Amino acid sequence: SAVISQKPSRDICQRGTSLTIQCQVDSQVTMMFWYRQQPGQSLTLIATANQGSEATYESGFVIDKFPISRPNLTFSTLTVSNMSPEDSSIYLCSVVLAYEQYFGPGTRLTVT
Amino acid sequence: EDQVTQSPEALRLQEGESSSLNCSYTVSGLRGLFWYRQDPGKGPEFLFTLYSAGEEKEKERLKATLTKKESFLHITAPKPEDSATYLCAVQAADRGSTLGRLYFGRGTQLTVWP
Repeated sequence: SAVISQKPSRDICQRGTSLTIQCQVDSQVTMMFWYRQQPGQSLTLIATANQGSEATYESGFVIDKFPISRPNLTFSTLTVSNMSPEDSSIYLCSVVLAYEQYFGPGTRLTVT
Repeated sequence: EDQVTQSPEALRLQEGESSSLNCSYTVSGLRGLFWYRQDPGKGPEFLFTLYSAGEEKEKERLKATLTKKESFLHITAPKPEDSATYLCAVQAADRGSTLGRLYFGRGTQLTVWP
């Protein structure tokens, strides 16, 4: 299995500001994924981050709003830019290892 | 459009009272069906992956089964510590699907009381 850590675990931010979420994995993985879990909703994939290439975004998500970095095989960041209250969610990092998919503990973001 | 529907939304069981959670899906080509457990304030914890109809997997009091249209998570003699939200997700085999692109249901919130 994979051990995934995220920082911060939670934050309260003001409208219009940005927050960068870090994801660290204890194994080298080719692909890392960022998901969002809005209150009462299912998890939704934001983007796929491959090391050495630009992230691939799902429909409804854009790079200007959610820029992603993937500097090496164990680390990635997701930035939530120009935040609004609608961005209040849990943001989760995920990896695939041996055809099983694992999730980090999540970052609970509240935008006021 | 691919869909994953879980039922019931919430389930309350007395300790020892066995039951099943349902996950029905419509996807054009199933690569895998995943079950996760999620505790409040935590990320989903991987339980099972099922790949083909007829496949079954077990872990302690949990048993997952798969047909061509749905999956069941059977909970035998549950204990209060089994209380959590159980999530089902599918991965489609087509659309140039990337490993890791999962479509989730909204989950079943299970409460087991002593």
